[in-house]
Amino acid sequence: DSGVTQTPKHLITATGQRVTLRCSPRSGDLSVYWYQQSLDQGLQFLIQYYNGEERAKGNILERFSAQQFPDLHSELNLSSLELGDSALYFCASSVRGTGELFFGEGSRLTVL
Amino acid sequence: GESVGLHLPTLSVQEGDNSIINCAYSNSASDYFIWYKQESGKGPQFIIDIRSNMDKRQGQRVTVLLNKTVKHLSLQIAATQPGDSAVYFCAETVVGSSASKIIFGSGTRLSIRP
Repeated sequence: DSGVTQTPKHLITATGQRVTLRCSPRSGDLSVYWYQQSLDQGLQFLIQYYNGEERAKGNILERFSAQQFPDLHSELNLSSLELGDSALYFCASSVRGTGELFFGEGSRLTVL
Repeated sequence: GESVGLHLPTLSVQEGDNSIINCAYSNSASDYFIWYKQESGKGPQFIIDIRSNMDKRQGQRVTVLLNKTVKHLSLQIAATQPGDSAVYFCAETVVGSSASKIIFGSGTRLSIRP
């Protein structure tokens, strides 16, 4: 158990809909990262937050947004969903912004 | 753009043999490299890391080698076991900042032959 909690574990929705994925980092970790992993693909970096502020951005679509709240949990919002958004979405946390990330189990999103 | 790539997408190894997984990185400014292991249905797990001021670092049954000249790193797993079956990712980043893109490679699937 990494100490990072992601909900929901599975989510099935339709095209055009909006979903919110939630992440609770390890106790004491200030930094949260979001990654997208499509079938048999690598981990695509989406966005990083540190202590409530956005610090680094990857190839995140404009339809996607995220935030980190004062209690350090984070949410990833995906809107106007398309079939291609079906993927595993991982959240990871670290103490600062270092490379040793602790990953959650992921949220599997299926868009039908 | 930034990219971290892997030479081999799949690797099949006899149980008990050593495994070598390779990775090329493109960002010369990266100074911290990490290997992660992802088992089926799970999130990636940290295996071992190395800073750019080192050439080699050893852990338990694993060794990471870094060649900055050719921007290449490798993960060596000694006496490969069935439990080593997984996808292995290398990742790169720049240390010392609270803002860091930790970029992952595309992954190598390691399968173990009995």
